[in-house]
Amino acid sequence: DQQVKQNSPSLSVQEGRISILNCDYTNSMFDYFLWYKKYPAEGPTFLISISSIKDKNEDGRFTVFLNKSAKHLSLHIVPSQPGDSAVYFCAASSGYSTLTFGKGTMLLVSP
Amino acid sequence: EAGVAQSPRYKIIEKRQSVAFWCNPISGHATLYWYQQILGQGPKLLIQFQNNGVVDDSQLPKDRFSAERLKGVDSTLKIQPAKLEDSAVYLCASSYRQSGELFFGEGSRLTVL
Repeated sequence: DQQVKQNSPSLSVQEGRISILNCDYTNSMFDYFLWYKKYPAEGPTFLISISSIKDKNEDGRFTVFLNKSAKHLSLHIVPSQPGDSAVYFCAASSGYSTLTFGKGTMLLVSP
Repeated sequence: EAGVAQSPRYKIIEKRQSVAFWCNPISGHATLYWYQQILGQGPKLLIQFQNNGVVDDSQLPKDRFSAERLKGVDSTLKIQPAKLEDSAVYLCASSYRQSGELFFGEGSRLTVL
């Protein structure tokens, strides 16, 4: 039972363009959502989060959008840079529950 | 501020052997987590500690996996005996509180032959 789904295993984008990574969830109790970035041979690092009381959170080039009715969130990276090439994990939690992760999307930004 | 420390970084063993991984969380973080990440999948929680008590170990295969955090600081995850399907990266993470942002270590990659 996969409660957090990232249906695109990979995404290729040209440098300077927008990258959009998508995430769907099935558990309506989730109220906190995070995106993690992972480089090879390193642990995941926190990127950006959003609470269910918001529909948008922005941090520099990164913006996360939350559509509660659709149980969908997305991460926008503008402009994309080659250093953004990594695996991006969507994660969600409710209350004091631990994070549930998606399978990840590998982003490749080409020069 | 020092991050989450894990060792060893890599380990290769044969099936039915045992292995242990060590984790030292960020200083002051009361909550410690062990995650298993199999290639192509997202991290899956194995066990969560709050200080030296277990909060959630519902997904820990207790017939072969064990974990402890005796003094509420560092932790050890043991697998005995190992199976081929245990090949994965074992990630340790810590946090200030039970919910919110987790800080991950670099992981320990286990290969079971």
